Amino acid sequence: DQQVKQNSPSLSVQEGRISILNCDYTNSMFDYFLWYKKYPAEGPTFLISISSIKDKNEDGRFTVFLNKSAKHLSLHIVPSQPGDSAVYFCAASEGSNFGNEKLTFGTGTRLTIIP
Amino acid sequence: GAVVSQHPSWVICKSGTSVKIECRSLDFQATTMFWYRQFPKQSLMLMATSNEGSKATYEQGVEKDKFLINHASLTLSTLTVTSAHPEDSSFYICSARDPRTSTDTQYFGPGTRLTVL
Repeated sequence: DQQVKQNSPSLSVQEGRISILNCDYTNSMFDYFLWYKKYPAEGPTFLISISSIKDKNEDGRFTVFLNKSAKHLSLHIVPSQPGDSAVYFCAASEGSNFGNEKLTFGTGTRLTIIP
Repeated sequence: GAVVSQHPSWVICKSGTSVKIECRSLDFQATTMFWYRQFPKQSLMLMATSNEGSKATYEQGVEKDKFLINHASLTLSTLTVTSAHPEDSSFYICSARDPRTSTDTQYFGPGTRLTVL
C-alpha cells in the first residue's frame, strides 16, 4: 500500500523554465510534508517542508504547495538550473504532536534539466 | 543545518559474515535515529527506528535478528547486518531529527553501499 505516490518517474525541463514535481498521498493523518533531493550513492538532502496549516511555503527558487482537500502537494523550482538534476522524493509524517516521527517516502521523480 | 555522518561509505564482504555500519549525529544529540534501505531505482524504505537507551522498533517484514540496531549514545547508532547474503546488498541510509527544531525534518547521512559476494 503506497501511501505517498509520485506518479511521474521522470521529468525533463529546459534550463530556466519552471519544474513542477507532483506528489499525492492517501493517509489523512499526514500533516507534515517534505521534499528531498537525492544524487546517486548519496543520502537525501532536505529541500523544503510544509505543515498542513499552510498551503504554500517558499524558499528561494523552491516553492511547495499543499492542497489538503485533494491530498496533493507539488514542488516548483524556478528557474530550473542544471544542478537541479537529481531524484526528488516527497515524504510525509503524522507529526511530532503524536510522537510519530516516521517519514513515508514517495517513489521519487528523476528530474533532468536540459541546458 | 544538522550534520549526520555514516561509516563506512562502502563495504564489500563475503556471504555469511557480519557488517557493522555506524551513524553519527555530529552537531546535535539525537534520541531517535532511523535506518532506511534503498534498492536501485526505488524509494527509501524505513527499516527501523533506533531509540537511545532502549530497543529499536522494527518495521513489518524486517528481521530484527538479522539487522541488529544499537543506539548506545545520543550521537551514535549502529546497524549490524548479521550473516549477510547477496540479497542484503543495498544502500543503507540513516537519518536523525534535530531536536533543536520544532519540525519533523530528518537529516540524512551520506549512506553506505553494502555489497555481499
